[in-house]
Amino acid sequence: SQKIEQNSEALNIQEGKTATLTCNYTNYSPAYLQWYRQDPGRGPVFLLLIRENEKEKRKERLKVTFDTTLKQSLFHITASQPADSATYLCALTYSSASKIIFGSGTRLSIRP
Amino acid sequence: SAVISQKPSRDICQRGTSLTIQCQVDSQVTMMFWYRQQPGQSLTLIATANQGSEATYESGFVIDKFPISRPNLTFSTLTVSNMSPEDSSIYLCSVGLLEHAEETQYFGPGTRLLVL
Repeated sequence: SQKIEQNSEALNIQEGKTATLTCNYTNYSPAYLQWYRQDPGRGPVFLLLIRENEKEKRKERLKVTFDTTLKQSLFHITASQPADSATYLCALTYSSASKIIFGSGTRLSIRP
Repeated sequence: SAVISQKPSRDICQRGTSLTIQCQVDSQVTMMFWYRQQPGQSLTLIATANQGSEATYESGFVIDKFPISRPNLTFSTLTVSNMSPEDSSIYLCSVGLLEHAEETQYFGPGTRLLVL
């Protein structure tokens, strides 16, 4: 079965630096890959989606890359801020009608 | 986008009882989903709530334990039946929307359930 691996250890970053989170998957590549943010006690919030034929996507301070050879996606937050502290979830979808499979998330902490 | 509300936001229940969680969306949607998220764990899809037909359950989840209703395109309920402490979790409702040719999911705030 498909597995999604995200670093279970919390990532601590100094404010202003770039935070990079990793998502690795096994087996075949998804049609698209999504990143969500989840704050404590809240549901996940959609951030970015990247398709398998896209290498990179940007939205404001966020950048996502997708390498189907490495079976990996990287999620970058540039000029990080304490408000960026949250858990970030990677999710895979194999077709427009299929379910989304979530990773367990990586907790990011930005210190002032 | 979609705004999703869930009721109750949290509850403490005794084992053997049942709890029904409600999910309301501010617009008509085709796809509605129910997830479970245990502390520190990933979201696990329980079922897809289909309007006008029975829900589609994922492996490891059965209708007798998690009956789902979907009476219309803006509302769904999930019941956790005959609860045990292992059912303690956060239960999340979500909807799938096609925006700019990309399918994304919007989540409700979740229902935090503790079973004693």
